[in-house]
Amino acid sequence: DAGVTQSPTHLIKTRGQQVTLRCSPKSGHDTVSWYQQALGQGPQFIFQYYEEEERQRGNFPDRFSGHQFPNYSSELNVNALLLGDSALYLCASSSLIIYEQYFGPGTRLTVT
Amino acid sequence: KQEVTQIPAALSVPEGENLVLNCSFTDSAIYNLQWFRQDPGKGLTSLLLIQSSQREQTSGRLNASLDKSSGRSTLYIAASQPGDSATYLCAATGNQFYFGTGTSLTVIP
Repeated sequence: DAGVTQSPTHLIKTRGQQVTLRCSPKSGHDTVSWYQQALGQGPQFIFQYYEEEERQRGNFPDRFSGHQFPNYSSELNVNALLLGDSALYLCASSSLIIYEQYFGPGTRLTVT
Repeated sequence: KQEVTQIPAALSVPEGENLVLNCSFTDSAIYNLQWFRQDPGKGLTSLLLIQSSQREQTSGRLNASLDKSSGRSTLYIAASQPGDSATYLCAATGNQFYFGTGTSLTVIP
């Protein structure tokens, strides 16, 4: 079992650009959640996907959007990047029944 | 809105000491409470999950308790080791997922 995987590991983008981050859930999991973690802070919930639909959303602007595919993998898209979007982006997968979350290693996004 | 607080923010102890990390939450309507460990620049590793109907969970040297009525959870680490040095985060799961800011633990050899 590969666990939760994320790609890429690191990414450097320029202000105003768009970025797509990818996540593959742990085997047997059907739910994917995305988090933003700024340096020295706890992760902030962005949104959760289940059955290819956004199920819950945190307090993030519409520049943050996502998608879940039939194989349960997911993408996080961020448009019109701001310097403040620089953070570690974490993906977590879970079963909707159990809700125990398993996290991937994260994608470090730097916006210059 | 759920607010999760972790105290202390940082802790430094000598090897072998037993220690307690605290997590408090404002809304008791949670599905579960999960404790994680995070090494610098890395993802989160799940340590223990306590369902809302449970009072505690144990794994090796770790024991976590949950008191929903008082909005508190504690993580007890027995016989601490230098390899336990990391940031420990708690997360309360309700209609959304709320994390505390973590406790940075340093175990001194």
